[in-house]
Amino acid sequence: QEKVQQSPESLIVPEGAMSSLNCTFSNSASQSIWWYQQHPGKGPEALISIFSNGNKKEGRLTVYLNRASLHVSLHIRDSQPSDSAVYLCAVNQGGRALIFGTGTTVSVSP
Amino acid sequence: GGIITQTPKFLIGQEGQKLTLKCQQNFNHDTMYWYRQDSGKGLRLIYYSITENDLQKGDLSEGYDASREKKSSFSLTVTSAQKNEMAVFLCASSIHWGGAGTQYFGPGTRLLVL
Repeated sequence: QEKVQQSPESLIVPEGAMSSLNCTFSNSASQSIWWYQQHPGKGPEALISIFSNGNKKEGRLTVYLNRASLHVSLHIRDSQPSDSAVYLCAVNQGGRALIFGTGTTVSVSP
Repeated sequence: GGIITQTPKFLIGQEGQKLTLKCQQNFNHDTMYWYRQDSGKGLRLIYYSITENDLQKGDLSEGYDASREKKSSFSLTVTSAQKNEMAVFLCASSIHWGGAGTQYFGPGTRLLVL
């Protein structure tokens, strides 16, 4: 079964800095990779997804996918205190359920 | 837009008790899911329903039952609550099955077993 691992477990960044999160997966046939954001006491909310090798940019978010190394990263430019949350990486193999990683807790200090 | 509502928000039960969690969505989505979230373990799939009259087991289905009463509602029953079942249960929906579409989540039900 697909395995999804995230690093680091937690991250503290000053306001205005870049937050960089990593996710590795075990199956190169995985079709889509999703990043979800979860604030305390709330359900996860989809942030951005990527299907093709390469990068995708949306606002302050950039995702890089390298299928050969089974690695995807999420970068949040100009981090704000409101970005403080748990970030979940989720991988889909097409026609199957999403497999979630254990998450990275991001704390942005004012 | 739409919303997913989960009831109750908090559920306190006794060991061995049968407990039911409810979920409603107004997205008109075909597929609904139940996940369990434990600290440090991410989200694990308990049950899902691809369409209104369908029910599928996820990796964590043992000890749970589910029911898709109608397209908009999906219930989860803990058949016999155990002391180690203190977790958040999250309901989600997506327009179709297959993972290509966004999953939308409810706020969760927090379960505490005394």
